[in-house]
Amino acid sequence: SAVISQKPSRDICQRGTSLTIQCQVDSQVTMMFWYRQQPGQSLTLIATANQGSEATYESGFVIDKFPISRPNLTFSTLTVSNMSPEDSSIYLCSVYRGTYGYTFGSGTRLTVV
Amino acid sequence: AQTVTQSQPEMSVQEAETVTLSCTYDTSENNYYLFWYKQPPSRQMILVIRQEAYKQQNATENRFSVNFQKAAKSFSLKISDSQLGDTAMYFCAFMICEYIFGTGTRLKVLA
Repeated sequence: SAVISQKPSRDICQRGTSLTIQCQVDSQVTMMFWYRQQPGQSLTLIATANQGSEATYESGFVIDKFPISRPNLTFSTLTVSNMSPEDSSIYLCSVYRGTYGYTFGSGTRLTVV
Repeated sequence: AQTVTQSQPEMSVQEAETVTLSCTYDTSENNYYLFWYKQPPSRQMILVIRQEAYKQQNATENRFSVNFQKAAKSFSLKISDSQLGDTAMYFCAFMICEYIFGTGTRLKVLA
């Protein structure tokens, strides 16, 4: 299966600032996904990022708050903009490679103070 | 390095029957968390059950229960009275500071 390098693994940020999370995949994948896990909750899908097209956002998530880039088939970034303490969560990327199934990053633990 | 193994890529079960999904992991740590997530076609990741390694008692959530064997590093999920809505991918995951996921088991509940 694919290997995903997700960075940073954790960060503590001031409110009002932005953080960009990166996911690098060791093989080309069409479909990448970004999730958020608030404390004690499930992993909620933020958006699907396909190379060559705009990201598709789930209900409750908007591009201005969570801009996503997908410049090529091995890389994607998620930015958490104008952060507030409510954005303190684990953020996780995932890829789908058809018959090879799903692979997940290791997560980014974000604390906003 | 920690690893999580789900050895059953696909399983099927008759409606109302019981099914067990296996998960093994490897770690040298003593305190950690284990999870089972359900992923329906929407690709949401629904938390099914969570187990803290320091707790000996197996976690239970309604029809879902786990058999946590810490010494054997095993964390299987039992679904009782299977329902059609249980059809999904199921992922086992391990966490200390970071997540490590298994490759998933595709479960199909047959009418």
